[in-house]
Amino acid sequence: LAKTTQPISMDSYEGQEVNITCSHNNIATNDYITWYQQFPSQGPRFIIQGYKTKVTNEVASLFIPADRKSSTLSLPRVSLSDTAVYYCLVGGSGGYQKVTFGIGTKLQVIP
Amino acid sequence: DTGVSQDPRHKITKRGQNVTFRCDPISEHNRLYWYRQTLGQGPEFLTYFQNEAQLEKSRLLSDRFSAERPKGSFSTLEIQRTEQGDSAMYLCASSLTGEGRNYGYTFGSGTRLTVV
Repeated sequence: LAKTTQPISMDSYEGQEVNITCSHNNIATNDYITWYQQFPSQGPRFIIQGYKTKVTNEVASLFIPADRKSSTLSLPRVSLSDTAVYYCLVGGSGGYQKVTFGIGTKLQVIP
Repeated sequence: DTGVSQDPRHKITKRGQNVTFRCDPISEHNRLYWYRQTLGQGPEFLTYFQNEAQLEKSRLLSDRFSAERPKGSFSTLEIQRTEQGDSAMYLCASSLTGEGRNYGYTFGSGTRLTVV
């Protein structure tokens, strides 16, 4: 099962674009890449999912290079409310049942 | 549908007591998961159900833990003879899978267990 590696923490000023990169060198052919956001005392929240190239929704973009060994979550113009932990998960139709989320990337947005 | 519901939100219990948590998933989701999260760590997988069948259990799930999902609807997680090390946030999630794809988890807000 693909293991992921992310930076432990990042700081950003309000209004800036934030890019968080996740490495997943052992990604399998049928694996999707999914990002979650978690605030304290809440469950993680689905942000975006992709398989290859670029995916964009109302809150984020996900960039996946051709080799799919990494992915980058891009948050445009962050605000203080984007301060949270962000997790990258890799899994296929079987789900992520054997995957522990890891400690994620703690993003601190600074005024 | 208002998402995944968990009850209670908080539970304080004395060591040695039994506790039971409930999870109501999104109705059209076919999979239900239980995770445990301690401070500063990501969620750790405990078990999951495909409809009413429990298909996978983590080694973290000792004999004191049992989970059920009768009729493939809500699920319960019971911890017997609680220990202080069981103190954690217990998260339930559901997901829809199909056509070779898992569309991602929807998590509940969790049940925070404190064993004193």
